[in-house]
Amino acid sequence: AQSVTQLDSHVSVSEGTPVLLRCNYSSSYSPSLFWYVQHPNKGLQLLLKYTSAATLVKGINGFEAEFKKSETSFHLTKPSAHMSDAAEYFCVVSEMNTGFQKLVFGTGTRLLVSP
Amino acid sequence: GAGVSQSPSNKVTEKGKDVELRCDPISGHTALYWYRQSLGQGLEFLIYFQGNSAPDKSGLPSDRFSAERTGGSVSTLTIQRTQQEDSAVYLCASSFRDWAGNEQFFGPGTRLTVL
Repeated sequence: AQSVTQLDSHVSVSEGTPVLLRCNYSSSYSPSLFWYVQHPNKGLQLLLKYTSAATLVKGINGFEAEFKKSETSFHLTKPSAHMSDAAEYFCVVSEMNTGFQKLVFGTGTRLLVSP
Repeated sequence: GAGVSQSPSNKVTEKGKDVELRCDPISGHTALYWYRQSLGQGLEFLIYFQGNSAPDKSGLPSDRFSAERTGGSVSTLTIQRTQQEDSAVYLCASSFRDWAGNEQFFGPGTRLTVL
């Protein structure tokens, strides 16, 4: 079965500094990987996805992630944090061996942005 | 255009009562998914519909949980004889097709509290 591990439950940054949210995946085949964001009392929103095309994936709001097969990683980065980035971020792997796309979520990383 | 909608947004019920949670997917989306988000279990998959059929119900936590979808559109998740451990946010998602790497669009969720 596929799984993802988010290495940090909380990350704190200052506004204007870089953001790094770490994710490692486990998959028996070439996976589809996603990052979703959840703002307080809001639904999940897709930031970006990797589906075996370019390994560097650009998403919304200046976020990007790089798929590294040798390291089984899919870390999320942003050059400069904004206050509005404060939210919970989920790394997600797509599992297809059940015959349909089941999303398997990591435990989440809460990003805190201070002024 | 309209996104995925869910109702009610909040539901408080007493232990032992039955509840129904509703999901309206994006028009034209054939695939529909239910997930549950709870403090102890994180985000977990419950059930998937392709059209009106649910080929895999193994994610449902117990036989008190059931779901149906009618007209290839609206879905209802029913929990009978609710227990306190059923308290969680129930999320619905839909996708144009159930293909690997396709985005699943999430609704805002129904927060269920069982007293």
